[in-house]
Amino acid sequence: GQQVMQIPQYQHVQEGEDFTTYCNSSTTLSNIQWYKQRPGGHPVFLIQLVKSGEVKKQKRLTFQFGEAKKNSSLHITATQTTDVGTYFCAGVRAGNMLTFGGGTRLMVKP
Amino acid sequence: GAGVSQSPSNKVTEKGKDVELRCDPISGHTALYWYRQSLGQGLEFLIYFQGNSAPDKSGLPSDRFSAERTGGSVSTLTIQRTQQEDSAVYLCASSSLSSYNEQFFGPGTRLTVL
Repeated sequence: GQQVMQIPQYQHVQEGEDFTTYCNSSTTLSNIQWYKQRPGGHPVFLIQLVKSGEVKKQKRLTFQFGEAKKNSSLHITATQTTDVGTYFCAGVRAGNMLTFGGGTRLMVKP
Repeated sequence: GAGVSQSPSNKVTEKGKDVELRCDPISGHTALYWYRQSLGQGLEFLIYFQGNSAPDKSGLPSDRFSAERTGGSVSTLTIQRTQQEDSAVYLCASSSLSSYNEQFFGPGTRLTVL
């Protein structure tokens, strides 16, 4: 079945440094979603990418969808302590079925 | 408007007992999902309901797990003869096919099996 792998599993950064998490699927995705889960909270939707090669920005966050629609990345510029949490990608296949990656836990040292 | 709600928020039970976890999705959302999240781990898909279609049960870890969705709204996840390895946070999410298919998650039920 479809698998979605995410790396790295953990990332410690100093506040102000950049951060990137990568998501790879074993199969072509119709679209991909990104979620953020704060410590002790539940996942919250950030964005969905649909088109091959699509790039979207939300303030300091940049999301990319690969040309082959099998990989994606989330890049955070100049991290802040409020960015702490686990970032999940989720590949969408037919029937609105999501397959979540394992998540990347981001820790930011002030 | 109201989001996805789950009850109870915490459940402590003894090994071998049955438990029922409830999810109230956002009104009008046709899709409903159950996930399991162990401490510090990712989201493990359990089951997916979409409208009146047969549910996708491919993620249920054993026949001790079952779920129902009555009237296309409220869902109940039942775990029979609980084991200690069932301890986790059980998350429910709902979505509308008319939107971005964004999943709205509930706060979860933390299950502890002693």
